[in-house]
Amino acid sequence: GDSVTQMEGPVTLSEEAFLTINCTYTATGYPSLFWYVQYPGEGLQLLLKATKADDKGSNKGFEATYRKETTSFHLEKGSVQVSDSAVYFCALTNFNKFYFGSGTKLNVKP
Amino acid sequence: NAGVTQTPKFQVLKTGQSMTLQCAQDMNHNSMYWYRQDPGMGLRLIYYSASEGTTDKGEVPNGYNVSRLNKREFSLRLESAAPSQTSVYFCASSGGLGLARGGTDTQYFGPGTRLTVL
Repeated sequence: GDSVTQMEGPVTLSEEAFLTINCTYTATGYPSLFWYVQYPGEGLQLLLKATKADDKGSNKGFEATYRKETTSFHLEKGSVQVSDSAVYFCALTNFNKFYFGSGTKLNVKP
Repeated sequence: NAGVTQTPKFQVLKTGQSMTLQCAQDMNHNSMYWYRQDPGMGLRLIYYSASEGTTDKGEVPNGYNVSRLNKREFSLRLESAAPSQTSVYFCASSGGLGLARGGTDTQYFGPGTRLTVL
């Protein structure tokens, strides 16, 4: 069945460091891919998405490119801030079903 | 817009008690979902409803029942709570129209219900 695998955390970075959180997927057909973010005590919020191969989703300085050849959707940001500290979830949707990764906690230190 | 709302925000139950978690959305979405979130396990789908009048089991349905009361509301019931059901529960909705090829739907999440079963 369809699934999403993302790197385990926590990831601890200093402010202004470069961020990469890896995500790979398994799916039939033509899934759409998402990154969601969860701040402490809150529900998940959509960060960015890509609906077809080679699409790049971007928002708030975060980017991810839909790579069908490597079945990946890695999240990147050039310079993280303390306010980016949260849990990040990679997800896919296929045939109106959603599959979430287990989440990666990011800690950014001043 | 309120988006997705959930009640209650917190609940403590004793083993064997029952309760219903309420969820409502005001975005005219067709699909609604219930997830549980446990430390180190991410989100796991309990039940979902692709359209009004239909419900389907997700990954972890045992011990739960759901009702899609109307297009807006989707409730989750624990008939006899167990400590293993201690978790944070999230309701979500999306605009999908049921089984469709390559859906691009975004899910919108409620703030969650933190449930403790003693």
